Amino acid sequence: EAQVTQNPRYLITVTGKKLTVTCSQNMNHEYMSWYRQDPGLGLRQIYYSMNVEVTDKGDVPEGYKVSRKEKRNFPLILESPSPNQTSLYFCASSNSNTGELFFGEGSRLTVL
Amino acid sequence: AQSVTQLGSHVSVSEGALVLLRCNYSSSVPPYLFWYVQYPNQGLQLLLKYTSAATLVKGINGFEAEFKKSETSFHLTKPSAHMSDAAEYFCAVSDRTYNQGGKLIFGQGTELSVKP
Repeated sequence: EAQVTQNPRYLITVTGKKLTVTCSQNMNHEYMSWYRQDPGLGLRQIYYSMNVEVTDKGDVPEGYKVSRKEKRNFPLILESPSPNQTSLYFCASSNSNTGELFFGEGSRLTVL
Repeated sequence: AQSVTQLGSHVSVSEGALVLLRCNYSSSVPPYLFWYVQYPNQGLQLLLKYTSAATLVKGINGFEAEFKKSETSFHLTKPSAHMSDAAEYFCAVSDRTYNQGGKLIFGQGTELSVKP
C-alpha cells in the first residue's frame, strides 16, 4: 500500500530535550516536505526537499532541522524544543508536477 | 506571491442540504488549485484538483469545484450533504513551479458540521 508513515504519532516532551520525528514514504517520490498545523493558521511549510541531499527552508523553519540522506526518509529534528513548537506535524511527499501531496497521518507534539 | 482565503472557518449544514465551501486565491501566474479533506485524527486526503483542463472539476465522494478566473475563486460544492462529510476542508494553490522549489499554499481551513 502506498503510504507516508510518521512516528511517533503522539509525543509529550519537555523544553530542551532533543527529539526526532521520522517520516518514510514507499512511493519513490523525489519531493518531501514538513508542515505544521495550528488552529486558525492552516498548514505552514517548515522545510522541503527536492531530492536526496537537497533541502530548503519553508515559511517557518526556525527551531527545526531536517536531513535527506535517503530518498524514502525525511526526518524532522527539534534540537531544543520550546512550548511554541507544540503543534500537529505532517510529512508529505510528491513526484507530480501538479504539486499533489500525499500526507502522513500526523504527529501531535506537546512541549511542556 | 500567492495566497488563499477560505471564507468561514465553520460551516454547518443539515443532512441532505447543499454544501458550499468558499475559496478565493491570489496568484500572479496561472495556478493549480486543490481541495483537501482532513477527517479527525487523520492526515489530509486529496478531494480534487484543477490543473488547467476543464474548469469544472469532479472529485471523490460527490464533491466538485469550479475554477472561475474572473472571480479568482475555486468554491467546493456537494449537492446533498451526508453525515460522513463532517471534516475539515483545506483549499490550496500552487504556482506550477512545484518541482523547481515552488510549493503548495494552504488556506486556513473550514470545518464542516453536518446536522441530522
